Amino acid sequence: QKEVEQDPGPLSVPEGAIVSLNCTYSNSAFQYFMWYRQYSRKGPELLMYTYSSGNKEDGRFTAQVDKSSKYISLFIRDSQPSDSATYLCATLYNFNKFYFGSGTKLNVKP
Amino acid sequence: GAGVSQSPSNKVTEKGKDVELRCDPISGHTALYWYRQSLGQGLEFLIYFQGNSAPDKSGLPSDRFSAERTGGSVSTLTIQRTQQEDSAVYLCASSFKPGWTSGNYEQYFGPGTRLTVT
Repeated sequence: QKEVEQDPGPLSVPEGAIVSLNCTYSNSAFQYFMWYRQYSRKGPELLMYTYSSGNKEDGRFTAQVDKSSKYISLFIRDSQPSDSATYLCATLYNFNKFYFGSGTKLNVKP
Repeated sequence: GAGVSQSPSNKVTEKGKDVELRCDPISGHTALYWYRQSLGQGLEFLIYFQGNSAPDKSGLPSDRFSAERTGGSVSTLTIQRTQQEDSAVYLCASSFKPGWTSGNYEQYFGPGTRLTVT
């Protein structure tokens, strides 16, 4: 079993839709949860991070963590064509080892 | 300021040859990570440096892979006797030393080196 599982998609939505991206993780010792966005032929860039259960909001983005079910989500409101990218979830173990999901490719159609 | 840079951006090599991939982290970042990204496979952790030492080499797939870091800055990932299954994008990331009080675990990624083994 992989440490972090993520549906690869692709996910195609119309502009303005609410997008839900999800991951599950295997180890309850994971302490820190992140979402990265990766445009084609670029390195990933950090979107959001959180280390507690609950919601964290930043503009149109909301990160949600449920530690009891080992489930992490990213919601994008009012999605834009510029949001089209691959989204990777990640967790941190022992403060220095990162585990990444395989990424979900999102396409927002104008 | 300058971000993480990697060179070369693309490398095509013949099976059996050795290759060296270079990473220049952000100045002042003490932690440096190497990852491999294959199509549909996400990021696979290879090795982590704190300063010049590598406390975690567990992700290196075989003894053909090695990495070093000198002066707490530049790092080189070397793949000997390359195989076709080594074809992937190799990503480097750097960060400040993670600390619970600082809570700063953000990694900054370079653009990657796309390696093709023919």
